[in-house]
Amino acid sequence: KAGVTQTPRYLIKTRGQQVTLSCSPISGHRSVSWYQQTPGQGLQFLFEYFSETQRNKGNFPGRFSGRQFSNSRSEMNVSTLELGDSALYLCASSHSTPRDSPLHFGNGTRLTVT
Amino acid sequence: AQSVTQLGSHVSVSEGALVLLRCNYSSSVPPYLFWYVQYPNQGLQLLLKYTSAATLVKGINGFEAEFKKSETSFHLTKPSAHMSDAAEYFCAVSGNSGAGSYQLTFGKGTKLSVIP
Repeated sequence: KAGVTQTPRYLIKTRGQQVTLSCSPISGHRSVSWYQQTPGQGLQFLFEYFSETQRNKGNFPGRFSGRQFSNSRSEMNVSTLELGDSALYLCASSHSTPRDSPLHFGNGTRLTVT
Repeated sequence: AQSVTQLGSHVSVSEGALVLLRCNYSSSVPPYLFWYVQYPNQGLQLLLKYTSAATLVKGINGFEAEFKKSETSFHLTKPSAHMSDAAEYFCAVSGNSGAGSYQLTFGKGTKLSVIP
């Protein structure tokens, strides 16, 4: 069974630009979550989608948005990039709840903002 | 709200020695607890999870963790360290975020070094 696939693996963008990251979950998984990982803040929850609906959102500005398609694939968008957005962005998928299905993570997209 | 504290951002052990990585949690509801491992330039891999069944949880690669409610702890152990265990380890907690949503709160991580 293929794991969680994130594309691209690396991105370099300039301040003020916008970026879209893509995530394909494990087949059959309907929940997709996004996390930001930085050396200073560690792993922080961005948002979670389940069956195309955002179920939960972390404490990030509105420049961070996401969506989920009917095939459970998800995209995350960051507009008006800032230097502080440089991070590893991790996507994770699961069947449903923590009790029944742990999160499976992709290898991440490393975003560098210059 | 939930939170996780991992004691020690960096732990060094000799090959063959006991590995002990500490995790304390705070949760207003019965928690689900997880340990993940991250190798360089990779995502997180699940080592083990506690979901209110047995308090002693066995995971992959010889790791295990014991849930102690009285101490609000979920420490990770391995009897004998191997060079391949060198990585960063994250403890995480999940509670009920509402509407069945799924949100993990992670600790800051502990980087494990194994000395030959």
